[in-house]
This record gives sequence, C-alpha cells and structure tokens, in this order.
Amino acid sequence: GENVEQHPSTLSVQEGDSAVIKCTYSDSASNYFPWYKQELGKGPQLIIDIRSNVGEKKDQRIAVTLNKTAKHFSLHITETQPEDSAVYFCAASKNAGKSTFGDGTTLTVKP
Amino acid sequence: NAGVTQTPKFQVLKTGQSMTLQCAQDMNHEYMSWYRQDPGMGLRLIHYSVGAGITDQGEVPNGYNVSRSTTEDFPLRLLSAAPSQTSVYFCASSYSRESPLHFGNGTRLTVT
Repeated sequence: GENVEQHPSTLSVQEGDSAVIKCTYSDSASNYFPWYKQELGKGPQLIIDIRSNVGEKKDQRIAVTLNKTAKHFSLHITETQPEDSAVYFCAASKNAGKSTFGDGTTLTVKP
Repeated sequence: NAGVTQTPKFQVLKTGQSMTLQCAQDMNHEYMSWYRQDPGMGLRLIHYSVGAGITDQGEVPNGYNVSRSTTEDFPLRLLSAAPSQTSVYFCASSYSRESPLHFGNGTRLTVT
C-alpha cells in the first residue's frame, strides 16, 4: 500500500519568515495530494491541494509543489503569522476516501 | 448546512463494552470514511465507503464494523472495546475520488 513520510515533525519560525514542510510518497499511481491544517480540538481542514497533472499551485501565502518523478511534494507558507500555528498533514491518494496521511508537522509561529 | 457531524464528542468505555460512533453528513457526498488519530501519528484509515451499501476495509479495521444503509450516515461500531482503541476518531466525507475530505470534529474515546 501507499506510504507517506512527512518532515519535519516540528517546526518553529519567527513571524514573517517562511515555513516549508516536505512529504514523500511510495505509490506512483497516487494522483491527488491535499494538505490539511488541524487546530486544537478540531478536525483537519483542507488548505490547498494539487493533482498529478500540475507541478505547482499557489493560493495567496500558501503554495504546493509536486515532483512526480521523485515522488515528493512540499507545502510552502510565506509571511507566516501566529494564526498559522497548527498541525499540518500531507496526504496522498488514488481515491479520496482512502487517503494515506503523513504523521503531521507541528508548526509554531513566534510573534 | 452542518457538514459532517459526529456524536458523541467524548466517550469512556470499560474493556469489553460495545458502542456505536455516529457520523452524518448533509452534503450528499458519496465517499465516507473513518480514521483514528493517535498521538504523534497521522490519521489511519479504519473503514471507508464509496456509496450506500458498499464498504471496504482500510489500514486498521480489526475490532471495528461499519455499514452504509443511507448516503447520509456512516456509523462505526466497536464490538468489544479494548484499551488499544483509545484514540480520537474522525469521520470524513468527500464528493468524488479527487475531492478533498471534509472532516467532523472527532470523538475522543477512552477505554479503561
């Protein structure tokens, strides 16, 4: 089955700096790669996603890049703010109902 | 439009007891799934469904049963609770294979 590795497990940045989280996947048939943000006591919420026919996608301060050959994808957050502090999960799937998640990255943005 | 609703929010069980975690969505999504989240680990898939009457096992199905009699509801049954099932359980739904998951706010289960 699919295996997703996510790094780093914790990340601390100063407000205004950039944050990068990286994931690798094992199944070359995976074609959908979402990123979720989870705040304390809540379920994960989608922040951005990318499909296998696209190399990069941007939404304001958030961007995701995908390298299908190397089987890795990354989340980039620029101009970080304290409200970006949360746990971030990457996922890979061929079927959204059967996504495989990374172990999560706890991002702390220090004011 | 409530999205995905999970009940209860918290539950404490004794070893050997059974219970059902409820999940309902009002978005007319065909795909529904159950994940468990343990400290320091990502979400692991327990069971999923691609439509009413169709269910399949995920990565960690042992000790859990599901059924999907309607599009809206996808209950998760614990047959005989064990301490290893202490976890936070999330139900999710999605519109299609390549659509994002919409999660409920979870049920925190403790088995003593």
